[in-house]
Amino acid sequence: NAGVTQTPKFRVLKTGQSMTLLCAQDMNHEYMYWYRQDPGMGLRLIHYSVGEGTTAKGEVPDGYNVSRLKKQNFLLGLESAAPSQTSVYFCASSYPGTGLPYEQYFGPGTRLTVT
Amino acid sequence: ILNVEQSPQSLHVQEGDSTNFTCSFPSSNFYALHWYRWETAKSPEALFVMTLNGDEKKKGRISATLNTKEGYSYLYIKGSQPEDSATYLCAFNRPSNTGKLIFGQGTTLQVKP
Repeated sequence: NAGVTQTPKFRVLKTGQSMTLLCAQDMNHEYMYWYRQDPGMGLRLIHYSVGEGTTAKGEVPDGYNVSRLKKQNFLLGLESAAPSQTSVYFCASSYPGTGLPYEQYFGPGTRLTVT
Repeated sequence: ILNVEQSPQSLHVQEGDSTNFTCSFPSSNFYALHWYRWETAKSPEALFVMTLNGDEKKKGRISATLNTKEGYSYLYIKGSQPEDSATYLCAFNRPSNTGKLIFGQGTTLQVKP
């Protein structure tokens, strides 16, 4: 049981390049989230998904797109990277079933630098 | 926009000291308050999830209390150890079918041996 995994762990992009971050979970969770973490800003929600085939915008969605084609995977795309997107990206998942309400399980993070 | 405020922003204590942090959140339409522990170079891990006014949770030397009427929660660490050094995040969510959490900025604790 790997929990929540993210690939890649590190990436350096040039301004204007595109990339996709992959999040995978093996806990059969319905809900998945993408956050970015910047110094002094805490965790901010970019996009989230409440089930396969559904996505929605979070607090800071501009410049990002997401897809949830399979329940276990949640992809975050940057179509044209900008230096302001330099950040650490965390994926999380949770399950709205019995037990703890909406406890989120986090992946290890992806450190992205845009030059 | 919901605001979750944590104080202090950072804290330095000596090994063996007891300490506490505060999380304040909107008291209206409350569902749950979460505490996460976030060690450097790792990912956040859930410590407690509390839903009822007056809830108290404990895990070893760490405990938390919840006051939903006035919108605050305290996290206590008794006899701090160097391994307690981490950032402690609180997060709030309202009843919804999305599970979205609003996080505070965290309190960073450094325990000196």
